[in-house]
Amino acid sequence: DGGITQSPKYLFRKEGQNVTLSCEQNLNHDAMYWYRQDPGQGLRLIYYSQIVNDFQKGDIAEGYSVSREKKESFPLTVTSAQKNPTAFYLCASSILEGLTEGFQPQHFGDGTRLSIL
Amino acid sequence: QKEVEQDPGPLSVPEGAIVSLNCTYSNSAFQYFMWYRQYSRKGPELLMYTYSSGNKEDGRFTAQVDKSSKYISLFIRDSQPSDSATYLCAMKGRGSTLGRLYFGRGTQLTVWP
Repeated sequence: DGGITQSPKYLFRKEGQNVTLSCEQNLNHDAMYWYRQDPGQGLRLIYYSQIVNDFQKGDIAEGYSVSREKKESFPLTVTSAQKNPTAFYLCASSILEGLTEGFQPQHFGDGTRLSIL
Repeated sequence: QKEVEQDPGPLSVPEGAIVSLNCTYSNSAFQYFMWYRQYSRKGPELLMYTYSSGNKEDGRFTAQVDKSSKYISLFIRDSQPSDSATYLCAMKGRGSTLGRLYFGRGTQLTVWP
């Protein structure tokens, strides 16, 4: 059963601590994305990646870092530099634009809720 | 001004009502218009998408795009309690970088029995 798995579902961060959120997909998608969702704010793009070992900053990348060492994995690290990390984090993937004609939807995982202790 | 504006609600309607959800946008380059449904503590799932202007119907759901007014709508007929969720509009340009999506804030809908 293909899909996107995010773990853990809930995560707590202490002051000064880095935490890493996991995102794994078995859809064979090239493109992967990380979004942050705050109440009443919609989804904001943090980072995205088209291909292994390549990624670009989105609108709110400060205080976050990512890696893309494998096609199926795109972990997000929330560093201590992110002063307001409490949010719902969503990972998504899609077929890369330009490889096929037409619309390529983004598929989402079920998110990780991060809170500060 | 945000690229995509959406009234967050909340919207509360009785079962069987017709629901109208709307978004406006400012970027005339947007060509694909999507509606995602998000249940509490879950990720968004794609409901429908429309390319350029026009209508698209899928069961009880109808998506409309008016590019001249930069206005999109989602209509839900015969609404059910199971439709209670947050509805997010999203849009993107054709051939835009990496298929990057621009989201509205989401409208929280409750359908009561």
